[in-house]
Amino acid sequence: AQKITQTQPGMFVQEKEAVTLDCTYDTSDPSYGLFWYKQPSSGEMIFLIYQGSYDQQNATEGRYSLNFQKARKSANLVISASQLGDSAMYFCAMRESSGGSYIPTFGRGTSLIVHP
Amino acid sequence: DSGVTQTPKHLITATGQRVTLRCSPRSGDLSVYWYQQSLDQGLQFLIQYYNGEERAKGNILERFSAQQFPDLHSELNLSSLELGDSALYFCASSASLARANTGELFFGEGSRLTVL
Repeated sequence: AQKITQTQPGMFVQEKEAVTLDCTYDTSDPSYGLFWYKQPSSGEMIFLIYQGSYDQQNATEGRYSLNFQKARKSANLVISASQLGDSAMYFCAMRESSGGSYIPTFGRGTSLIVHP
Repeated sequence: DSGVTQTPKHLITATGQRVTLRCSPRSGDLSVYWYQQSLDQGLQFLIQYYNGEERAKGNILERFSAQQFPDLHSELNLSSLELGDSALYFCASSASLARANTGELFFGEGSRLTVL
């Protein structure tokens, strides 16, 4: 079964508008972490934001915020005031603590295109 | 620039051949992860090393092997290559298991392998 599900293969947004990228996850581990990474066309993976399962507040990093709804097992990424440079693939990932190895598992990604 | 260096950036080879991908982690990072990114499988975790020792294993084929050397650089060896092994291979590093716990994985730019 998929542990991380990103249902939006592609998203389009107008420059300066906000956009939400969806991510749902599945785990029975009470201690887990959720991350978002950005992969521009150049290929490198860039860490954006982290949310721990015990964190009470939603994580924020500049224009990125993570809308964490624990009961729904969702961890959506919100990008405010989109910029052309935000056009990229975005991956949601989850880290479980089983075996003490803390290996992130990635979703299939969402392609975001920002229009001028 | 993440500080993680991968070589070669591009590699074209034939089926049945063997290749070695090299990764130099960020200075001081003890943990190295290898991921395979293909169009149909997304980003798949292969193997993790921590301070020279194998720490976790993912969906790594028996034809593939890896090691981490005393200077902390790592190599991923792919043998008896098949067409389906064509993919982008990422190396990532983290300062410690605790830092990786919060998603602080720093990815290299990847090695793109094409098997003809």
